[in-house]
Amino acid sequence: GAVVSQHPSRVICKSGTSVKIECRSLDFQATTMFWYRQFPKQSLMLMATSNEGSKATYEQGVEKDKFLINHASLTLSTLTVTSAHPEDSSFYICSAKGPGRNTEAFFGQGTRLTVV
Amino acid sequence: DAKTTQPTSMDCAEGRAANLPCNHSTISGNEYVYWYRQIHSQGPQYIIHGLKNNETNEMASLIITEDRKSSTLILPHATLRDTAVYYCIAFSGTYKYIFGTGTRLKVLA
Repeated sequence: GAVVSQHPSRVICKSGTSVKIECRSLDFQATTMFWYRQFPKQSLMLMATSNEGSKATYEQGVEKDKFLINHASLTLSTLTVTSAHPEDSSFYICSAKGPGRNTEAFFGQGTRLTVV
Repeated sequence: DAKTTQPTSMDCAEGRAANLPCNHSTISGNEYVYWYRQIHSQGPQYIIHGLKNNETNEMASLIITEDRKSSTLILPHATLRDTAVYYCIAFSGTYKYIFGTGTRLKVLA
């Protein structure tokens, strides 16, 4: 299957700082990317959906000024957690999908964010 | 996109077929059924998807009922490495991928 690379896999940051997570589709053009967060023993919770060149659509309850999403190209999307707090500690996962409704989305390896 | 419901957990003996059901009774005509699995602390892995017809690939088979209100993922010969959480998603390709609670499959030696 197609490859989606997410970086970094783990990051520890101090409270109040910002962290950027990158998501790259390595061998296909990702017209749509999804960002999720996952708490222990829970399912993936969709945070936002972004289409290349457009502003991201955020799910209800997700602060767009705190979780900045950029999808500037067909192979790269970034999620920046601004002014991170300990409660932002979580597993963040990106997903990339090509055009068409009969194309599957592929997921990155996830990023474990710990805010201390 | 349609909501899906799955059993919370299932056990399966190693070497036997694992049959994982999914209910998507509100699925619309243009929504595909996708299956993914997630092994602990990793991103979900794509398994298979289908619209109406049954599908098979090297990983699994997907059986979709004629009315499309439910489907079953079949792992023909489960191994210990198939222990994971399996997610069924109904997606039309135009909106968003929503994950339900999934089924925690445990393959027993």
